[in-house]
Amino acid sequence: NAGVTQTPKFQVLKTGQSMTLQCAQDMNHNSMYWYRQDPGMGLRLIYYSASEGTTDKGEVPNGYNVSRLNKREFSLRLESAAPSQTSVYFCASMLEVTGNTQYFGPGTRLTVL
Amino acid sequence: GQSLEQPSEVTAVEGAIVQINCTYQTSGFYGLSWYQQHDGGAPTFLSYNALDGLEETGRFSSFLSRSDSYGYLLLQELQMKDSASYFCAVRASNQAGTALIFGKGTTLSVSS
Repeated sequence: NAGVTQTPKFQVLKTGQSMTLQCAQDMNHNSMYWYRQDPGMGLRLIYYSASEGTTDKGEVPNGYNVSRLNKREFSLRLESAAPSQTSVYFCASMLEVTGNTQYFGPGTRLTVL
Repeated sequence: GQSLEQPSEVTAVEGAIVQINCTYQTSGFYGLSWYQQHDGGAPTFLSYNALDGLEETGRFSSFLSRSDSYGYLLLQELQMKDSASYFCAVRASNQAGTALIFGKGTTLSVSS
């Protein structure tokens, strides 16, 4: 039981490049989330998926797209990376959207030059 | 919208007791959660309060007052390993569902 896994762990991009951050969970959770964490800003919600087949915007969705590929996987795509997207990205899952305990992946450290 | 306020930093010594406060504004309240994050690590769940009162889990306790839109995390018998960031979080709702919204976090430094 690996919990929530994320790939890659580290990534450096040039401005304008695109990439997809992958997230998978093996806990049979219905809800999945993408956060970014910047110094002094805490965790800010980018997008979430309450259940398979649905996605919704969070606090800071601009510049990102998501895909809930199946119940296990939730990917985050940066179409044209900008330096302002340099951050640590965390994926999380929760049994139900009405729950209170989120399980986080180890994070992806992204630098955009 | 939703907002949470918590102190940015707290310092304490080993063996002491520290309280981290959180005040929140939210449309529709579903409970207050607390998460711990060590440097370089991922946030991990600590506790959850849906109703008023104190919830105790070992050295950690969490309190909620819904009428005051206020809660706190109480850490007792502090240890060096408790040095970490602590986040309060509330469930936020919109037309599509609900998601957890986090405060900016409180960095706790425990010294010997």
